[in-house]
Amino acid sequence: AQSVSQHNHHVILSEAASLELGCNYSYGGTVNLFWYVQYPGQHLQLLLKYFSGDPLVKGIKGFEAEFIKSKFSFNLRKPSVQWSDTAEYFCAVNPDNYGQNFVFGPGTRLSVLP
Amino acid sequence: DAGVTQSPTHLIKTRGQQVTLRCSPKSGHDTVSWYQQALGQGPQFIFQYYEEEERQRGNFPDRFSGHQFPNYSSELDVNALLLGDSALYLCASSLLSNEQYFGPGTRLTVT
Repeated sequence: AQSVSQHNHHVILSEAASLELGCNYSYGGTVNLFWYVQYPGQHLQLLLKYFSGDPLVKGIKGFEAEFIKSKFSFNLRKPSVQWSDTAEYFCAVNPDNYGQNFVFGPGTRLSVLP
Repeated sequence: DAGVTQSPTHLIKTRGQQVTLRCSPKSGHDTVSWYQQALGQGPQFIFQYYEEEERQRGNFPDRFSGHQFPNYSSELDVNALLLGDSALYLCASSLLSNEQYFGPGTRLTVT
């Protein structure tokens, strides 16, 4: 069965620090990859997505992610975090021949200290 | 343009009861997926509906069932509720592509 792992359960950073959240998946075929964010009290929102092409994808709010096929990874990065980035971040994988079933990772809680 | 809407927002039920949750997809979307998100965990796929039929199902018991209507809205039914069914139930809609838009969820508490 497909699975998605996220390296950290809880990350605490100060404002202006750089962020990298790890995501690895187990699936040997073609996949579509996503990062979603869930701000406190709000619904899941799409940060960025990768379907094909340039493995470095840019999303909203200054986030980017890099797909490394050989490592089955899709890590999320931001050069300088803000207090407003405090949220739960979920990596999700959609195996390409499984229709639109998403497999989500357990999430990483990011706390940014002002 | 309304996004994905879900009702009710919160619900409290007693163990053994039945519950129905509702979802209206984003305008123009024809596919609805349901997820269960337990506290502190990522969403778990329950099932997906397309053209009023269940197209794909995750690892959930038959107590979980659903429907999709001609206007693409959907319902999730859970029978014989267990304490472990307490969670946030998320609905997501999409149109052909693999980008899903999520609703705010229904918080179900089983006592």
